[in-house]
Amino acid sequence: SQELEQSPQSLIVQEGKNLTINCTSSKTLYGLYWYKQKYGEGLIFLMMLQKGGEEKSHEKITAKLDEKKQQSSLHITASQPSHAGIYLCGADFNDYKLSFGAGTTVTVRA
Amino acid sequence: NAGVTQTPKFQVLKTGQSMTLQCAQDMNHNSMYWYRQDPGMGLRLIYYSASEGTTDKGEVPNGYNVSRLNKREFSLRLESAAPSQTSVYFCASNRQAEAFFGQGTRLTVV
Repeated sequence: SQELEQSPQSLIVQEGKNLTINCTSSKTLYGLYWYKQKYGEGLIFLMMLQKGGEEKSHEKITAKLDEKKQQSSLHITASQPSHAGIYLCGADFNDYKLSFGAGTTVTVRA
Repeated sequence: NAGVTQTPKFQVLKTGQSMTLQCAQDMNHNSMYWYRQDPGMGLRLIYYSASEGTTDKGEVPNGYNVSRLNKREFSLRLESAAPSQTSVYFCASNRQAEAFFGQGTRLTVV
């Protein structure tokens, strides 16, 4: 979706290091979803954020939605090989659609 | 707890052939979606259905048709397949806090 920009497009991180992925919207988000996908497989739901300033964590993954509700970041602490994959942000713009960014490919090197 | 079920998982078509991808959800969700995923482009919305009896175009509807047969089922039809429709197709359903995805259909048009 042109309405959602993800950055970076890809990244390589050494095992044990932290990483951050950003998702920027061109308009107000009513809901922001984060998904993970292994190559060739389906999407795994990570978390959803709705309120400005909201922050959620699941294991070593933390996501936050900024106060203006136009940007979200996904942070992984002490990355492991199991964190490798494609991370996608999806947006609810209150129009019944569910639009996605182009994805960020994460490679974790041992 | 089947969630979202897509069939088939793999399909090879010749140019000009037609086929229907089937999708069913058992979570009583109102909204359903069809996406295609191509390398580097994330998930692009083909069509969506906000509720039973309604369907709307997404980003890339050309060459596709859909039917929301009932609340459970949302099918995607390719009337005359083209090589440009080679992709991985995902169906999803949504109710506010989480969107659930099928496992995908890998379609090759030769």
